[in-house]
Formats: sequence, C-alpha cells, structure tokens
Amino acid sequence: DTAVSQTPKYLVTQMGNDKSIKCEQNLGHDTMYWYKQDSKKFLKIMFSYNNKELIINETVPNRFSPKSPDKAHLNLHINSLELGDSAVYFCASSQDTGLYNEQFFGPGTRLTVL
Amino acid sequence: KNQVEQSPQSLIILEGKNCTLQCNYTVSPFSNLRWYKQDTGRGPVSLTIMTFSENTKSNGRYTATLDADTKQSSLHITASQLSDSASYICVVSAREAAGNKLTFGGGTRVLVKP
Repeated sequence: DTAVSQTPKYLVTQMGNDKSIKCEQNLGHDTMYWYKQDSKKFLKIMFSYNNKELIINETVPNRFSPKSPDKAHLNLHINSLELGDSAVYFCASSQDTGLYNEQFFGPGTRLTVL
Repeated sequence: KNQVEQSPQSLIILEGKNCTLQCNYTVSPFSNLRWYKQDTGRGPVSLTIMTFSENTKSNGRYTATLDADTKQSSLHITASQLSDSASYICVVSAREAAGNKLTFGGGTRVLVKP
C-alpha cells in the first residue's frame, strides 16, 4: 500500500514550458506539504495545506501554484519553467499541523529543465 | 536565521562497525528534533522524534541523543548493516504560528562496505 504517491517520478522538459506534479495520500491526513531538494541535498519547505487551506507559503516564485482539490491531493503546477527549477520535489503529509506529528514523504519527482 | 548543520558530510564504515553522526542547530524557538533516513532515489523516512525534555531515543540499532542546552544531537548506528547505506538527515522543528515548519540539515551520506 502506497501511503504518499507522486506522479510522475521523472520529468524532463524544456525551459518555458508549464508542467504539473500530482500528489496523493491515502493516510487520511489533514495536512500536506511540498518540498524542494536542491543539488546540495537540502530539503526546503515550499507550501503546506491543512484541510485544503494554504497555511505555509515560503518565498517561492509565483510561477509555482499549488492546488488542493481535496484533503487527499495536493498538486503542484509550475509555469514558465527555468533552469533553476531543476531539483527533486517531494510531497509529504502529516495527521495535522501538530508540532510532533510525523511527516510521511512520497518518493519524489526529479524535474530536469533543459 | 534557523539553521541545521551536520557532520561529517559523508563517511565510509565497514559492515558490523558502529558510527556516530553529529547535528548542530540554531533553530528557535525549538520544538523537536528528528532524524530521517533517506535511501537513494526515495523520500526520507522518520527514525526518531525527540522533544526538549528527551535526552535519548532508540529505534532498533539507531540511537539518537539530544542536548537542548548546547543545541546538539547525535545519531549512533550500532553494528552497521549494508542496508544502512543512505543519507541521514537531522531536522529541527520550530514553534511557528502557522503550521509545523521543519528546517533540514544537508545530511550525512553513510556508505557501509562489506
């Protein structure tokens, strides 16, 4: 049983294109996140949604737009892709926004912008 | 600025040996500290979560320690196995008004050789 799943696993595209990454969790969690892992392996929070409401929005270019159609899904749409967007993007979920809740991560989507 | 620094960046150990990874943080106000294991090409998986009042926590052959006064943590791996080859990431949670925001270290890449 896959707890947090992401599609696609790999995404190769040209600069200027628009692309989406989908995330789904079957854990019944209220809170979902998007992280970016750069080439130096640091993971950084991008967005967090709780019950479909945006609660964390880090300093991310507005080319990135998350969408949560329901609690189990948090998709990430990226417009006008740039070379610097190349990274691994991880989706995660937690029971709720409680400070001690474990976050469960998806397998990641490796985005390569040419 | 909240930061988490880990050392060493990488290490190689022989199967069956022990090793200790270090983590220093400047996250404030502190909520809890987590250690994650990230296998190549996969998302991070939680090993331990420790709050301010906890000095040590074990998960099988993994033992984490926390000194909240000096803002240091360590992860000790006992009797290493080949499957322990992975990146180990120290993550600190800050008490935030909105959400549960995590600050990630850059990880220590461990390679266990037979």
